[in-house]
Amino acid sequence: QVTLRESGPALVKPTQTLTLTCTFSGFSLSTSGMCVSWVRQPPGKALEWLALIDWDDDKYYSTSLKTRLTISKDTSKNQVVLTMTNMDPVDTATYYCARTRGYPGYYFDYWGQGTLVTVSS
Amino acid sequence: SYVLTQPPSVSVAPGQTARITCGGNNIGSKSVHWYQQKPGQAPVLVVYDDSDRPSGIPERFSGSNSGNTATLTISRVEAGDEADYYCQVWDSSSDPVVFGGGTKLTVL
Repeated sequence: QVTLRESGPALVKPTQTLTLTCTFSGFSLSTSGMCVSWVRQPPGKALEWLALIDWDDDKYYSTSLKTRLTISKDTSKNQVVLTMTNMDPVDTATYYCARTRGYPGYYFDYWGQGTLVTVSS
Repeated sequence: SYVLTQPPSVSVAPGQTARITCGGNNIGSKSVHWYQQKPGQAPVLVVYDDSDRPSGIPERFSGSNSGNTATLTISRVEAGDEADYYCQVWDSSSDPVVFGGGTKLTVL
């Protein structure tokens, strides 16, 4: 059974760095073809992809946010961490992690329940 | 960057067929995936690689992709199908992952 769970602060202040952890089970990120991504959704708005890390430790980032994002993995702990620097109120959103498969046409077949992050002073 | 265009809303009566489109330049050359998202819930994959269904997704959900338009078709629509639907592709030339703006399906 594949599960993913996001964890991190519910509230961050403007200019702070956000660190989110995705803890997963039911698959291994060392298996060829496996990836984990982060996707966010501002309240009432559409899904926005942020970053992806694959089994080979290759990383991909949203063009518009790449200067602020870092994704990393700890295979032994079954965790993927996303950091986002210089947070702003427009970054208020629900942040999801999702298992990603289907090279080269990647899709997200399992999602965490999401964690709401509010950026406010 | 690659852009996917979806209609903001689609309405259909119960038992009828809903078609949700996703437009993109030569989208027929890409693999298109579709997600269903109900209020307060995480998205659920309902169609991948244009027309494949994950385990547990009813056969009423189907997909097609050709030219500049991909389509998610929901047959015999039920009240429980009311949700937002998003299309998504992987585009190696720009932002790797692109989502459409989403379509709200209303069951009348």
